[in-house]
Amino acid sequence: QVQLKESGPGLVQPSQTLSLTCTVSGFSLTSNSVHWVRQPPGKGLEWVGAIWSGGSTDYNSALKSRLSISRDTSKSQVFLKMNSLQTEDTAIYFCTRVLQWSYWFAYWGQGTLVTVSS
Amino acid sequence: DIQMTQSPASLSASLEEIVTITCQASQNIGNWLAWYQQKPGKSPQLLIYGTTSLADGVPSRFSGSRSGTQYSLKISRLQVEDIGIYYCQQASSTPWTFGGGTKLELK
Repeated sequence: QVQLKESGPGLVQPSQTLSLTCTVSGFSLTSNSVHWVRQPPGKGLEWVGAIWSGGSTDYNSALKSRLSISRDTSKSQVFLKMNSLQTEDTAIYFCTRVLQWSYWFAYWGQGTLVTVSS
Repeated sequence: DIQMTQSPASLSASLEEIVTITCQASQNIGNWLAWYQQKPGKSPQLLIYGTTSLADGVPSRFSGSRSGTQYSLKISRLQVEDIGIYYCQQASSTPWTFGGGTKLELK
């Protein structure tokens, strides 16, 4: 079945770079897009960006200058890199997969909490 | 960016009661609207997509509708397991945006 699992450091220092990995199973990255969504503690959801089945990317314009999403299809992994982290970037980061041929987030990882603090 | 204004921010209702949550889009998004439910400590779950289509496994007491740029999620008979936070999401144009959420509690 479709599964996604995020991994990465729980704590990042301000101004440093965040690196997260989403490891997927049950589907191919060359046939499905994977998105990142984040949620500050106790707050709402924010779409971060996506990597499409063809390998192209889309980013939230508010984060675009600091963000990079890539993948390794042979390892079924998607990577998120965000630089110049600030405390406002403290959030649970989810990777998600949409329903085939749609933009609806049907499958979610469990999320990983990233705290930006010195 | 398209703004999604969700109301109310919180709602207290009794079991078996009819509950309605609304989401106002800042511009025309057609039927590019989904609803999600999130329970404490869990990932969001897709409930409704394309304004009115029920996701797999979602009980039929959930329904979605649209009037112009206002979208509604209706729970016909509230159950204990429906408690949580509900979010709308537009997928008309990037960046995809979510409403601020509605916290649904039992009265």
